[in-house]
Amino acid sequence: EDQVTQSPEALRLQEGESSSLNCSYTVSGLRGLFWYRQDPGKGPEFLFTLYSAGEEKEKERLKATLTKKESFLHITAPKPEDSATYLCAVEIYNQGGKLIFGQGTELSVKP
Amino acid sequence: EPEVTQTPSHQVTQMGQEVILRCVPISNHLYFYWYRQILGQKVEFLVSFYNNEISEKSEIFDDQFSVERPDGSNFTLKIRSTKLEDSAMYFCASSDPGQNTEAFFGQGTRLTVV
Repeated sequence: EDQVTQSPEALRLQEGESSSLNCSYTVSGLRGLFWYRQDPGKGPEFLFTLYSAGEEKEKERLKATLTKKESFLHITAPKPEDSATYLCAVEIYNQGGKLIFGQGTELSVKP
Repeated sequence: EPEVTQTPSHQVTQMGQEVILRCVPISNHLYFYWYRQILGQKVEFLVSFYNNEISEKSEIFDDQFSVERPDGSNFTLKIRSTKLEDSAMYFCASSDPGQNTEAFFGQGTRLTVV
């Protein structure tokens, strides 16, 4: 069964304290892995797409990496405005663009 | 910046009533999706739609659900006879047919069935 698992479920950081979020996946035929940010009561906001092992993408304080079994979202020197739930999702070939989401990591950054 | 627009933002309905959730996808996108998120749970795929037909649907998307693209801009999700367990946040998303397949999500419609 196709599965996406994120860890930790919740992460509390001090401002400036770098850390990483993990997304492990077990799927047949990965087409792409996606990272989204979700603020309370809002829709997921697209951050990155990764298509192949070894690929890396960066945006401001965020960097996403991909291996054959997992992806990491590295947060460097976070700020309070980075507080949100970060969602990982995978797309599998020939399933109409369907995304399978993990349960998310709730990040809280304190000043 | 183009965005996916959903209306209404919040809808309260009586159990057994029909509801229609509306979405305006990004204008040049050709793939459309509905997802739902029950409070505190994962975002779950419901259905994908391309070229005026369903591409893929989940086991959640039973005969109570239907989707339609009634004109060139709107995409709707209809729930024929709502149940208490249909209470959730419903998200519409769209993506383009090119190389980059990331889906862009709307802000959601919070459906409360009482």
